[in-house]
Amino acid sequence: EADIYQTPRYLVIGTGKKITLECSQTMGHDKMYWYQQDPGMELHLIHYSYGVNSTEKGDLSSESTVSRIRTEHFPLTLESARPSHTSQYLCASRGGSGLGYTFGSGTRLTVV
Amino acid sequence: SQQGEEDPQALSIQEGENATMNCSYKTSINNLQWYRQNSGRGLVHLILIRSNEREKHSGRLRVTLDTSKKSSSLLITASRAADTASYFCATLRDDKIIFGKGTRLHILP
Repeated sequence: EADIYQTPRYLVIGTGKKITLECSQTMGHDKMYWYQQDPGMELHLIHYSYGVNSTEKGDLSSESTVSRIRTEHFPLTLESARPSHTSQYLCASRGGSGLGYTFGSGTRLTVV
Repeated sequence: SQQGEEDPQALSIQEGENATMNCSYKTSINNLQWYRQNSGRGLVHLILIRSNEREKHSGRLRVTLDTSKKSSSLLITASRAADTASYFCATLRDDKIIFGKGTRLHILP
């Protein structure tokens, strides 16, 4: 059973709208990550956090922003959605070194 | 650039056959991990092999690691329809996990 939750599961929204994708984990993990993945394609790291008040940009440039005010919560925000933001967004967390990621089920975003 | 590259990109086999996927990487690693992704879902962690290990088993999964060749393989024995998914290898770099492009495995009935 996943202990990391993403909402919404699907989102269709108009251009220019502000949206926030939610990600929460109950495992007490310090490290959390956001990946962007187009259908059938590789995952690209767009944001990560090593703990409260820590956020860094990933390898793929993204217009989204993140915050980490609480350990369990790592929301991603798009101030003004565009069709180019259409993709699947996957949130993950990790415990100590030598351990794998736990992924959420993802949010599939469509901007029309 | 991607750290891991899976091979083949896509694979279709009959149910009951064994499936082998390979992964090559570029830099030194602490560990290598394999994940499965069902269509449109998140990734599920399958197995982690450390750099000082050569082989690891988990149920029907067998993973090998050759650090001299910078390569790993994932073997799924006695495949089932439920094994249809994409499989990704991933390596740890600067405390971030970097994924390859994945192998799409399709099990034929």
